[in-house]
Formats: sequence, structure tokens, C-alpha cells
Amino acid sequence: AQTVTQSQPEMSVQEAETVTLSCTYDTSESDYYLFWYKQPPSRQMILVIRQEAYKQQNATENRFSVNFQKAAKSFSLKISDSQLGDAAMYFCAYRSAGRDDKIIFGKGTRLHILP
Amino acid sequence: NAGVTQTPKFRILKIGQSMTLQCTQDMNHNYMYWYRQDPGMGLKLIYYSVGAGITDKGEVPNGYNVSRSTTEDFPLRLELAAPSQTSVYFCASSSGQPSPLEAFFGQGTRLTVV
Repeated sequence: AQTVTQSQPEMSVQEAETVTLSCTYDTSESDYYLFWYKQPPSRQMILVIRQEAYKQQNATENRFSVNFQKAAKSFSLKISDSQLGDAAMYFCAYRSAGRDDKIIFGKGTRLHILP
Repeated sequence: NAGVTQTPKFRILKIGQSMTLQCTQDMNHNYMYWYRQDPGMGLKLIYYSVGAGITDKGEVPNGYNVSRSTTEDFPLRLELAAPSQTSVYFCASSSGQPSPLEAFFGQGTRLTVV
């Protein structure tokens, strides 16, 4: 069974600085999808970025980028120029590209932005 | 532009009562999911469905039941509520390949069992 591990329960970063959130996963599959979601205090789940495993190029969305290391099964999220609105829980998620279409989430990392 | 709609938003149940959490989506997605999120924790998959008439257990299915009679609706039934089922419940849906495949979430239902 696939698992997703986020080893940092909480992190803090100074406003305007850069922070990296870690995620590792375990799978025997070669084709899959990875996601980062943001959950602010409103509780809404918001997609931040997605990565297809067959793509070697790391995904980027404005200030958010990932470092996808397929062999190491690592999928970290880098937030540049951190803003107060980035404060939230961040969840890493895995989805198989095969018949089993479960989406599995890590336990999350709570990110604090220091003014 | 409703997306995924969950009702109710809040509910207090007494131990032993039953209830159904409603979830409907208007994006014609085949895949639907139910998750629970305990305080300060991640999302645990309860049940999921890959299409009308097909459901399967996730990580924590005990104490819950689901059905999927239409593409749009995926209700979650709690029988004999227990304090351990106090949680926030999220319904989500997603499309299949070759679409982007991310999950779209409802606003969540905060359930308290007392």
C-alpha cells in the first residue's frame, strides 16, 4: 500500500524568506501523480501544485515550486518570498495512475509566517 | 459554479444516533471520496467510489457506509455514532485520465458526537 510521510509537523519562516516543506512517499508503481494542498484556517482544501511522475521537469506555480526526486521518492515544496497569507496547513498527496484511484494524504505541516 | 457541496456544515449527534452526510458534485466526475480529519491531523480515507454503483473501503471504513446510485451523489452514513467519530468530514471528487486528476473538496462537515 502506498504511504505519504511529512516529517515536519510545524515550520516557521520569516516573511519574504524562502521555506521548503518535505514529503516522501512509498510506492511500487512507476506512474502516479503528486499534489500539494493548502488548508488555511477556513478549512477549505486548496490545490497548490501538481506533478506527474512521468514528467522530469519540476512543476512551478508562481512562488511555489517542487523538487521531485523520483528515485528517492521525494516531493518537496518550496515557497519563495513567503507572505502572511501562506500561513496554513500544507498536505502532500499521492494518486495512483493505475486502476486503484485512491488519493492518499500525509499528516500535514503547519506553516507559520513571522512578520 | 457549485463544485462539491456538503450538507450539513455542522452537526451534534448523541451517542448511538445515526445520520447521513450528504455530498453532491456538479462536475460530472467519476471519482468521489470521503475523508475524515481529526484535530491537527491529516486526512484519512474512509470510502471512495470510481463510478456509479461502485464503492470501496479506504483506510478507516469501520462505522460508516456509503452508496453511489448516481454520478452526482455520494452520501456517507454513520450508524450508531460513537465519540471516536467526532471529526471534520470532507467529501471530494475528481476526474479520470487524461484530466489533471486533482481532488476538488467540499467545505467540510464538523461532526461532534456527545
